[in-house]
Amino acid sequence: GAGVSQSPSNKVTEKGKDVELRCDPISGHTALYWYRQSLGQGLEFLIYFQGNSAPDKSGLPSDRFSAERTGGSVSTLTIQRTQQEDSAVYLCASSPGSQSNYGYTFGSGTRLTVV
Amino acid sequence: QKEVEQNSGPLSVPEGAIASLNCTYSDRVSQSFFWYRQYSGKSPELIMSIYSNGDKEDGRFTAQLNKASQYVSLLIRDSQPSDSATYLCAVNSAGGSYIPTFGRGTSLIVHP
Repeated sequence: GAGVSQSPSNKVTEKGKDVELRCDPISGHTALYWYRQSLGQGLEFLIYFQGNSAPDKSGLPSDRFSAERTGGSVSTLTIQRTQQEDSAVYLCASSPGSQSNYGYTFGSGTRLTVV
Repeated sequence: QKEVEQNSGPLSVPEGAIASLNCTYSDRVSQSFFWYRQYSGKSPELIMSIYSNGDKEDGRFTAQLNKASQYVSLLIRDSQPSDSATYLCAVNSAGGSYIPTFGRGTSLIVHP
């Protein structure tokens, strides 16, 4: 696609429910990243996929968070048993590869509210 | 631990002035440097990248890199109210992890 597509754009869920957030990167981009941004806060790295390599999960805050990337394209971030502190904007970004001189293209984000 | 520091601001400048945004980083082997603009309620947008010491100009934007002093800056000439946003600095190192380190951003307000 022309840009990074994320869905849903907004999600309100009850505490304790599971949620799935979707990211469709730019066609041909092999690197995919998930970040979250809480109100007034900086970007918090969550997980990084590059091609068929094992993902870098070092930023996942707890084992309630997981992500997968199917076929090297679409990625799903799953949060189990959501808590109120999970409320944030979840941003996906992609880049053409793993070279350090590539910048990101971000999606428009999913605003998650846990009530 | 790699750190990227930015003054949170807000930096307030009058319309037409030059806005100067600064960023310092701790990792001496850093290789790639990026500036992102984030409007309120929107996602970050890449506006500049720089890899070599010196200046890089793109329209009203100039990125400046000084690896010896470990700082990178963004100058915005002829600032417009539409430039009002948070500007994020991101730094990436050669080799190893390809996950850049982001600063927390500087809020810029351009007032008419």
